[in-house]
Amino acid sequence: GAGVSQSPSNKVTEKGKDVELRCDPISGHTALYWYRQSLGQGLEFLIYFQGNSAPDKSGLPSDRFSAERTGGSVSTLTIQRTQQEDSAVYLCASSLVISGNTIYFGEGSWLTVV
Amino acid sequence: SQQGEEDPQALSIQEGENATMNCSYKTSINNLQWYRQNSGRGLVHLILIRSNEREKHSGRLRVTLDTSKKSSSLLITASRAADTASYFCATDAGAQKLVFGQGTRLTINP
Repeated sequence: GAGVSQSPSNKVTEKGKDVELRCDPISGHTALYWYRQSLGQGLEFLIYFQGNSAPDKSGLPSDRFSAERTGGSVSTLTIQRTQQEDSAVYLCASSLVISGNTIYFGEGSWLTVV
Repeated sequence: SQQGEEDPQALSIQEGENATMNCSYKTSINNLQWYRQNSGRGLVHLILIRSNEREKHSGRLRVTLDTSKKSSSLLITASRAADTASYFCATDAGAQKLVFGQGTRLTINP
């Protein structure tokens, strides 16, 4: 597609349930990022995929969070046993893997845990 | 810990005035980028400045970089109501991921 596509755009879930957030990057972009942004805050790095290399998971806040990227394209971020503090906008971005390259963001998935 | 710290956290000015936002960071970088965010959704890239550059212009935007002070500034000249948004700096320290600051919320009053 023309841009980074994320779904769902909004998700309300009950505490304790699992959620999956999907990201479809720009075609040809081999790097994919997930960030989390709480209300009025900056972006918190979660995980980074580049091609077939092992992902950089250093930003995942707990083992309830996981992500995969199938076929070097679509990525799914999974949050298990959601907690209220998981409520945030989850932003996906992609880029060409060139040093100093711009990354392009999707519109985000707004997660509310009640 | 956050790499970039923007200052001020919030800025409110009159339309037509210039807006200046600052960003400080902690480690050596390859480049620094500025992004804009409307309504808490996706971010849009504005400008990138490399570590060997000191100043860069793009339309009404002017970015400076002082690597000795580990700081950058974003100047928006002749501001418009449509410039109202949050502005973030992001640093590329070579780890293939951008680290964002907390942002500056800019409000342009008509």
